[in-house]
Amino acid sequence: EAQVTQNPRYLITVTGKKLTVTCSQNMNHEYMSWYRQDPGLGLRQIYYSMNVEVTDKGDVPEGYKVSRKEKRNFPLILESPSPNQTSLYFCASSFGRADSPLHFGNGTRLTVT
Amino acid sequence: SQKIEQNSEALNIQEGKTATLTCNYTNYSPAYLQWYRQDPGRGPVFLLLIRENEKEKRKERLKVTFDTTLKQSLFHITASQPADSATYLCALDITDSWGKLQFGAGTQVVVTP
Repeated sequence: EAQVTQNPRYLITVTGKKLTVTCSQNMNHEYMSWYRQDPGLGLRQIYYSMNVEVTDKGDVPEGYKVSRKEKRNFPLILESPSPNQTSLYFCASSFGRADSPLHFGNGTRLTVT
Repeated sequence: SQKIEQNSEALNIQEGKTATLTCNYTNYSPAYLQWYRQDPGRGPVFLLLIRENEKEKRKERLKVTFDTTLKQSLFHITASQPADSATYLCALDITDSWGKLQFGAGTQVVVTP
């Protein structure tokens, strides 16, 4: 089944404790992206990757890191999480053309205390 | 920067009626505009894409229009059903280089029997 898999689904952590949210897709997509979703603000893009070893900042990249060493994986790294990074995070992928629809994972709900 | 506006108030509609949602944007006119459906706690699911040179696109009970003069897209759900209850998001690329896809905050639709 074609899908984008994020792990974990739920994560509670404390301020400053490094964490990684994994994202994997099995559709051979070139493009992958991370979004965060907050009430009233909608989906905001954090980082995106057009292909392996090619990443770029979205609208809210501060406090996050990404890497794209393999085509299928695009982990999101929070080196020193803070409470304002409490949010619902989504990974998405597509074939990388402007007319390609995005396929989203089921989200990771992160709480930073 | 681009601003995308969707009705923030929930749209309550009776089963069988047509629901109409709006997506307005400012400044840069996108080459493509996409619509997604999001259920609570789940990732958005792609519904329709319309190109700037297309006035209208249909898929089953869904219809999307795109007016680049008004900088507006309308999303219609005809013969609405309770299963159509969800939040609907519009999204568009905001730069000449594909990669930065920006989403509206979404409009919640509630279809009552």
